Amino acid sequence: EPEVTQTPSHQVTQMGQEVILRCVPISNHLYFYWYRQILGQKVEFLVSFYNNEISEKSEIFDDQFSVERPDGSNFTLKIRSTKLEDSAMYFCASSAGQGPRGLYGYTFGSGTRLTVV
Amino acid sequence: AQTVTQSQPEMSVQEAETVTLSCTYDTSENNYYLFWYKQPPSRQMILVIRQEAYKQQNATENRFSVNFQKAAKSFSLKISDSQLGDTAMYFCAFMRPRGSNYKLTFGKGTLLTVNP
Repeated sequence: EPEVTQTPSHQVTQMGQEVILRCVPISNHLYFYWYRQILGQKVEFLVSFYNNEISEKSEIFDDQFSVERPDGSNFTLKIRSTKLEDSAMYFCASSAGQGPRGLYGYTFGSGTRLTVV
Repeated sequence: AQTVTQSQPEMSVQEAETVTLSCTYDTSENNYYLFWYKQPPSRQMILVIRQEAYKQQNATENRFSVNFQKAAKSFSLKISDSQLGDTAMYFCAFMRPRGSNYKLTFGKGTLLTVNP
C-alpha cells in the first residue's frame, strides 16, 4: 500500500534555528497538508496546499512557517526561527481529492517529532 | 467553524468485550465526512473507519462500526471483541470538502485501554 514518508523521524534543534521537515506524499495525490500535535493534545491543522499554492492556513501558521513543493515529489514545512512552543509532532498528509464515489484516500505520514531546546 | 467534541477523555474495557466511544460535532453543512483515527503509542495516525454524511447506512470495518445520527450530529465508534492491540488514543475527525481544501478538524481524543 502506498505510504506518505516523512523525514527525519525525530529532530532536535536549538531555539531560534531554522528547521525543514520533509515529506514525500503518495505519487498520484494532489492535495497536501501539514498538521501539528503538541504532546498530549489534539491534532491541529496547519496548512493545506494544492496546485503549488496554499489553499488554507490556520492561525498557528504565521510568518515563521512556510511550505514548498520544490521538485514535484517533496513537500516541505519550514520553520524559520523555532520557539520552545514549536516542540510537537508534525504530520504530513496527502489526498487525491474526491469524485463521484466520494473521497479518494487521505493518508498520514508517521510524523516528525520536533524538539526545540 | 466546525467543532468536534469527544466527551470521554479516557475509557477502559476488558479484553473481548465491547466498548463505545462518543463523538459529537457541530456544522451547518450538508456534505461532509466523518472519521475515526487510532493513534497507538508510536503516534502514527491510522484510519479506523470513515462515514460519508450522505449515506444513511452506518459504516463497518470488521470489529469496528459506527452509529451515525445525522440529525443529532453524533458519530460514535463501537469496538467489538476488544483486543489488547486496540489500546490507543482514538480521535474523531470532521471534514467539509470545499474547493481545493479537504482539511480535517479533530476532537481532543479518547484514550482507550484494553485490559487483559
